[in-house]
Amino acid sequence: KQEVTQIPAALSVPEGENLVLNCSFTDSAIYNLQWFRQDPGKGLTSLLLIQSSQREQTSGRLNASLDKSSGRSTLYIAASQPGDSATYLCAVAMIYNQGGKLIFGQGTELSVKP
Amino acid sequence: EAEVAQSPRYKITEKSQAVAFWCDPISGHATLYWYRQILGQGPELLVQFQDESVVDDSQLPKDRFSAERLKGVDSTLKIQPAELGDSAMYLCASSFLAGQGNNEQFFGPGTRLTVL
Repeated sequence: KQEVTQIPAALSVPEGENLVLNCSFTDSAIYNLQWFRQDPGKGLTSLLLIQSSQREQTSGRLNASLDKSSGRSTLYIAASQPGDSATYLCAVAMIYNQGGKLIFGQGTELSVKP
Repeated sequence: EAEVAQSPRYKITEKSQAVAFWCDPISGHATLYWYRQILGQGPELLVQFQDESVVDDSQLPKDRFSAERLKGVDSTLKIQPAELGDSAMYLCASSFLAGQGNNEQFFGPGTRLTVL
């Protein structure tokens, strides 16, 4: 059974700092991995998707990497801003589900202080 | 920009009452998902549709929950009767077609359910 873990559960940093959020998974037979942002009481916003054949994806100040063999992904946020404060969730889709349902971690709650 | 629509955004009900949630996926998306998110946790799949057919409902509490997507477009999730433990955020998502391309999932704003 796939298990997804995110460390740390919460993180507080000063504005301008570069930071890394971690995601690990136990089964490497993934179809893809998605990173999401969730603001309090809101739905999920897709940030980046990495297909199983890819090593990384970039969007603006965000960079996500994937190492299937070690079961790890990282989300790098450059020059953090107070507006980045939110919960970040990673999720994997499995090959045996034909890339269907997502299995989520519990999230990292990020607070960026001005 | 195309979005997944959900209604209502908030619902307060008493236990033993019936509730229903509605979702309209992005136009052209064949795959629709209902997830439940308990406060402080990641979402978990309740049911997945491919067009009008159920693909995965293994985690759906079928004694009280039901879901349909009659014409393969919008979908309704129903709970009857509601229990205190059903209080959660109910999220709908859609993707172009599971197993095709990158299958990126797009989420709606969710329905926050409170059962008193």
